[in-house]
Amino acid sequence: ILNVEQSPQSLHVQEGDSTNFTCSFPSSNFYALHWYRWETAKSPEALFVMTLNGDEKKKGRISATLNTKEGYSYLYIKGSQPEDSATYLCAFVPNTGNQFYFGTGTSLTVIP
Amino acid sequence: DVKVTQSSRYLVKRTGEKVFLECVQDMDHENMFWYRQDPGLGLRLIYFSYDVKMKEKGDIPEGYSVSREKKERFSLILESASTNQTSMYLCAGSTGDEMGRNQPQHFGDGTRLSIL
Repeated sequence: ILNVEQSPQSLHVQEGDSTNFTCSFPSSNFYALHWYRWETAKSPEALFVMTLNGDEKKKGRISATLNTKEGYSYLYIKGSQPEDSATYLCAFVPNTGNQFYFGTGTSLTVIP
Repeated sequence: DVKVTQSSRYLVKRTGEKVFLECVQDMDHENMFWYRQDPGLGLRLIYFSYDVKMKEKGDIPEGYSVSREKKERFSLILESASTNQTSMYLCAGSTGDEMGRNQPQHFGDGTRLSIL
């Protein structure tokens, strides 16, 4: 089982603040890195699938970067809103085997 | 809008029972997955299927089996339920070859299963 770590485990920010969190994964055998948002009582929702080193993706106020050589991805939220409150999951996909390795998530609470 | 539907949000069963968790997708996706989520752990893959009647073991297949007789339906079976199978179970679907590894997964709402 590969180790995928997300930090911080939880985060509280004020409405309007920008924030970021990290997903760390093995730097070898990289194939893809997924980000999902999981709101309470809902199903996880796909945000990004990243495959290339140096990739940057953006969806509204949320963006993500990828560094496969050092094994990390950052997720940024600009001008956080209460509706951004959720757990953000990343999943590492190696280029061998048939597996998705999920981190334990970062729980974000945006305080109005 | 894509839809993955799990048959129950909450389910309570007894030790030793045979339990079926059903998942249906309306997206014509080739790949379907079953995960479980436990406190302090990331989602862990139990089984996945890349085509009708095809299945592959994930990380934690012990105590589980699956069935995919039709493309849209993927069932998880607990052959003889035990208390350590109390968990949240999530079904997902995706397109693409090679398990859809570079494609986003679409998840159901989850089934919270309690084994007494």
